[in-house]
Amino acid sequence: GAGVSQSPRYKVAKRGQDVALRCDPISGHVSLFWYQQALGQGPEFLTYFQNEAQLDKSGLPSDRFFAERPEGSVSTLKIQRTQQEDSAVYLCASSLAEGGQPQHFGDGTRLSIL
Amino acid sequence: GENVEQHPSTLSVQEGDSAVIKCTYSDSASNYFPWYKQELGKRPQLIIDIRSNVGEKKDQRIAVTLNKTAKHFSLHITETQPEDSAVYFCAAIPYNNNDMRFGAGTRLTVKP
Repeated sequence: GAGVSQSPRYKVAKRGQDVALRCDPISGHVSLFWYQQALGQGPEFLTYFQNEAQLDKSGLPSDRFFAERPEGSVSTLKIQRTQQEDSAVYLCASSLAEGGQPQHFGDGTRLSIL
Repeated sequence: GENVEQHPSTLSVQEGDSAVIKCTYSDSASNYFPWYKQELGKRPQLIIDIRSNVGEKKDQRIAVTLNKTAKHFSLHITETQPEDSAVYFCAAIPYNNNDMRFGAGTRLTVKP
């Protein structure tokens, strides 16, 4: 596809369940980013990959959050033992290279924890 | 780390008028400043960006200015149209990392 693809678009889970969110970046894009966007707020950085290497995970809010990109393409953000405060839109972005390059976003996954 | 502040939080203009949104940043190492437009329930879309070696950039009705000394940058939209209505986010990235920091957003409403 031409753009960043994320799935599912919507996810409802009960508190305590584990969830997995998928991101398929633009083909050939080296860098991949995950953001969390709370209602009415700007996106907040979670983590960054360059190819398969996770170079920065300083934004992950707790050790319940885990991201991987094993083959340097598709990435998965996993949240274990979900809590209500995890409810947000999770956005994925990719860019051609690192260091101040335009980032292109997917539509996001809206996660609701009941 | 970088801190980006954005003003105003809401802005209402008449169709045809201009709109200006201002942002300030704290980290002098920031060197890339994109602007995103986000419609309700949709992805942020990059509309224009500027690098620290440039003072101004224009693309049709949209322009961005950067003042490195004062650490602020602004988005200017001229001849606004109802379809310009959306939330606009500014952002900044330091040259030495990839942690893009966003402003809190400006909800622009263009009244027909």
